Amino acid sequence: EDQVTQSPEALRLQEGESSSLNCSYTVSGLRGLFWYRQDPGKGPEFLFTLYSAGEEKEKERLKATLTKKESFLHITAPKPEDSATYLCAVQTSGGSYIPTFGRGTSLIVHP
Amino acid sequence: DAGVTQSPTHLIKTRGQHVTLRCSPISGHKSVSWYQQVLGQGPQFIFQYYEKEERGRGNFPDRFSARQFPNYSSELNVNALLLGDSALYLCASSFSAGEYEQYFGPGTRLTVT
Repeated sequence: EDQVTQSPEALRLQEGESSSLNCSYTVSGLRGLFWYRQDPGKGPEFLFTLYSAGEEKEKERLKATLTKKESFLHITAPKPEDSATYLCAVQTSGGSYIPTFGRGTSLIVHP
Repeated sequence: DAGVTQSPTHLIKTRGQHVTLRCSPISGHKSVSWYQQVLGQGPQFIFQYYEKEERGRGNFPDRFSARQFPNYSSELNVNALLLGDSALYLCASSFSAGEYEQYFGPGTRLTVT
């Protein structure tokens, strides 16, 4: 069974304090790994797709990386507006396009 | 360009009732997926439709059903509501069934009392 585990569950940072969120996965064959940002009471907002180990993608203060067993979302010099829940999801290569989501990491950035 | 739209925004129902949730995908997108998100958890896949055909079904009881219309909009129906059905119901659209990137709507908050 495909499993996606995100850590930590919650993270509090001071503005400017860089950190990383982790997404570890156990799947039969990875087709793609996705990162989303979700604000309270709203739908997830697509951030990145990673396809293969060694791949990296950046967007403003966010950088996503992928290894064979996990992905990291690095947040550099975060601002209060980066506060949100960050979700990781994986899609396997077994013929089904159903993504499996992790439970998310709730990030709060204090000014 | 309009994103994915969902209606209603909020809904309060009583146990045993029926509910219909609606979703309009991004213009040009032909695939719609439905997810249930319980507070504190990630979205859980319910259905995917592409070109009006069901392409995937998650582990949900038969009380849950959906359909897609010729204009690619979609409805999610839930019968015999239970307290445990209270959740945020999300719709996501993509260009095709195998598309990597999905774009989510704002969701419908369903409360069952």
